[in-house]
Amino acid sequence: KAGVTQTPRYLIKTRGQQVTLSCSPISGHRSVSWYQQTPGQGLQFLFEYFSETQRNKGNFPGRFSGRQFSNSRSEMNVSTLELGDSALYLCASSPDRPPYEQYFGPGTRLTVT
Amino acid sequence: AQSVTQLGSHVSVSEGALVLLRCNYSSSVPPYLFWYVQYPNQGLQLLLKYTTGATLVKGINGFEAEFKKSETSFHLTKPSAHMSDAAEYFCAVSQGGGTYKYIFGTGTRLKVLA
Repeated sequence: KAGVTQTPRYLIKTRGQQVTLSCSPISGHRSVSWYQQTPGQGLQFLFEYFSETQRNKGNFPGRFSGRQFSNSRSEMNVSTLELGDSALYLCASSPDRPPYEQYFGPGTRLTVT
Repeated sequence: AQSVTQLGSHVSVSEGALVLLRCNYSSSVPPYLFWYVQYPNQGLQLLLKYTTGATLVKGINGFEAEFKKSETSFHLTKPSAHMSDAAEYFCAVSQGGGTYKYIFGTGTRLKVLA
């Protein structure tokens, strides 16, 4: 089975711009989660989608949003970018059955200048 | 509420020495436990998982972990460290579907000295 894919792998944006990141889960996985990883804050949960519905949400401002399509592919969007949004954004998919392990993509490295 | 604690944000070992990375959890119900490894600028890779049954779990790259319910621990070990083991390791616990029940530890960065 193909793994989780994320595009693009690297991205450079300017403050105030918006960005969309894409994630394709492992075939058959309906749960997709997004994480932000920074050296200072570590791994932080953004949100989780299951069957096109946001099931869980972390503690991030409304500038961070996401969606999931009928084929389980997911996108996350960050509007009005700030310097502090520079991070590695990780997507993970899960089969949503015990033991609910998550499989991660390679991540998108976002740099905001 | 469940939680995961990884003792030691940085661990250094000599090449060929035993690797021991500590993870303690708290959970009101029997958890599922995981160890992940992350190499620089890459995603997290599942090393091993504990579900039920045998408490000693073997994973990839020669790593293993033992579930000790009485100690609420799930420490990761490898008998002989290799330079390629240098990475960050994350312990995680899950109690069910839904990521709000999937909790990661803060990570331990392993350095292997030649």
